[in-house]
Amino acid sequence: NAGVTQTPKFQVLKTGQSMTLQCAQDMNHNSMYWYRQDPGMGLRLIYYSASEGTTDKGEVPNGYNVSRLNKREFSLRLESAAPSQTSVYFCASDGTGEFFGPGTRLTVL
Amino acid sequence: DAKTTQPPSMDCAEGRAANLPCNHSTISGNEYVYWYRQIHSQGPQYIIHGLKNNETNEMASLIITEDRKSSTLILPHATLRDTAVYYCIVRVLRLDSSYKLIFGSGTRLLVRP
Repeated sequence: NAGVTQTPKFQVLKTGQSMTLQCAQDMNHNSMYWYRQDPGMGLRLIYYSASEGTTDKGEVPNGYNVSRLNKREFSLRLESAAPSQTSVYFCASDGTGEFFGPGTRLTVL
Repeated sequence: DAKTTQPPSMDCAEGRAANLPCNHSTISGNEYVYWYRQIHSQGPQYIIHGLKNNETNEMASLIITEDRKSSTLILPHATLRDTAVYYCIVRVLRLDSSYKLIFGSGTRLLVRP
């Protein structure tokens, strides 16, 4: 039981490049979430998916898109990365509480 | 949405109890209080949750006041590995059956040798 896994662990992009962050969970949870955490701050919700086939905006969705590929996988895409998107990104899935992945540390130069 | 208020930092001696307070005065009757901690920049780790009764598990105890406006997380015998940022969170059920976690600013706990 791996829980919530995220790839990659680290990534450096140049301004304007695109990339997709991958997330998978093996706990059969319906809801999945993407958060970002800036230095010294709490987590802010980017997008969430209440169930397979649905996605909704969170607190800070601008500059991101998501895909709920199936019940297990929820990906986050940056179409044109900007330095303001330098952050640590956490994926989570929800059972009786949210289970978080280990994070992806993204730097945009 | 209910908000939480926590002291920005606390410290305690190793082996002693750490009592971390949280204010959630606008919490609604069906909203749960959750506690998570984050060590360095790892993903937040679930600790405990409760609605109105006190709760205990292998990691900690959670004391919720009768009016539910505040709670205290108790780490009974703090160790150096408990040094982390502790988040008190109100978990709100959305209409689509997903949950919204309202993160506070967290308390940075330092356990001293």
